[in-house]
Amino acid sequence: DAGVIQSPRHEVTEMGQEVTLRCKPISGHDYLFWYRQTMMRGLELLIYFNNNVPIDDSGMPEDRFSAKMPNASFSTLKIQPSEPRDSAVYFCASSPRNLWDTIYFGEGSWLTVV
Amino acid sequence: AQSVAQPEDQVNVAEGNPLTVKCTYSVSGNPYLFWYVQYPNRGLQFLLKYITGDNLVKGSYGFEAEFNKSQTSFHLKKPSALVSDSALYFCAVSPYNPGGKLIFGQGTELSVKP
Repeated sequence: DAGVIQSPRHEVTEMGQEVTLRCKPISGHDYLFWYRQTMMRGLELLIYFNNNVPIDDSGMPEDRFSAKMPNASFSTLKIQPSEPRDSAVYFCASSPRNLWDTIYFGEGSWLTVV
Repeated sequence: AQSVAQPEDQVNVAEGNPLTVKCTYSVSGNPYLFWYVQYPNRGLQFLLKYITGDNLVKGSYGFEAEFNKSQTSFHLKKPSALVSDSALYFCAVSPYNPGGKLIFGQGTELSVKP
């Protein structure tokens, strides 16, 4: 059974460029989460979806960040324009039915903005 | 507001010795409590969770955790540490309500030396 699949695994981009991170959740899971991990701030919840609908985006740092979930098997997190302070590991995760179910994480997308 | 604290940034243990990774929480109502582990360059993996019932919860890889309501703690324990247990450990809490989000602690780096 495939887990949460994220792409790209690593990306290096120049400041000002658009970055798109992709995620395929586990089939049948109702919830999808985007987290960001940095040394300074730890693990932060950016946004989560329930049945493809964004429920809480209060963790999105600013308007440069946007996330979509056009269908149950695909989500994107976009940063436009990117800045060096966006360098982090971005995790996508999904869970079956409730917010308190076990969350299954992808391997992460390691973003470096130079 | 809900929160979770991991008071130790790092825990050092000799192989074969018992280990404890501490976690305290603050949440209104009954909590759901979780432990996740992150190995280098990987996503987070579920270890165990407390929902209700027995205060002692057993999880993967020989880990267990004890829910203590009076002390609002959920410490992670293992009777005999292995070098392969070296990783970053996250405690997480969610309140028992449909809108409750899972909030992660800052993480504790566990180092087990031979």
